[in-house]
Amino acid sequence: DIVLTQSPVLAVSLGQRATISCRASQSVSISSINLMHWYQQKPGQQPKLLIYRASNLASGIPARFSGSGSGTDFTLTIDPVQADDIAAYYCQQSRESPPTFGSGTKLEIK
Amino acid sequence: QIQLVQSGPELKKPGESVKISCKASGYTFTNYGMYWVKQAPGQGLQYMGWINTETGKPTYADDFKGRFVFFLETSASTAYLQINNLKNEDMATYFCARFPYWGQGVMVTVSS
Repeated sequence: DIVLTQSPVLAVSLGQRATISCRASQSVSISSINLMHWYQQKPGQQPKLLIYRASNLASGIPARFSGSGSGTDFTLTIDPVQADDIAAYYCQQSRESPPTFGSGTKLEIK
Repeated sequence: QIQLVQSGPELKKPGESVKISCKASGYTFTNYGMYWVKQAPGQGLQYMGWINTETGKPTYADDFKGRFVFFLETSASTAYLQINNLKNEDMATYFCARFPYWGQGVMVTVSS
């Protein structure tokens, strides 16, 4: 299975930039298609898609969220961070079955 | 719009069984596989497996072979997860997902 590694916690100040990383144990890209996705999960809620295929903003998601990366290294950026962004963020790959998730990064306010 | 609506919270004793439903709407049920994801309290997302909604064939992740059963009621566009012989470590929230769409989750509490 493809293992996705995330840092457990990231603390940032409101109004600043948050950069959340996800490293895959093997490439999750096919040609130019990067099969990495990002979800936001708030307590008591289901995960919500933020970014699909590494850099595409999901419908209704604010433009302060963006994604980048290819191969094995991917980044979710939130700029500027707002209070409503306090949540856990998960990367997920769909390159191979089974689809696997990162362990999640909890975004905290400094 | 696409929706996955799951059944309500469950309180069970160790050794009992629980059946969780996931009713899909807004798309053709048999065109997409249905996935199941476990989230233990305070923990991350764990893939449990998926069921082919066209054939009914389930595929289980290694940690979920044996006591876990995925099945369908295709006429009702509903997928089910049944957990038999519940253990304390089964206490979690269980999500169905037709990625990137998710049900709201079902919290299963296991307590004697």
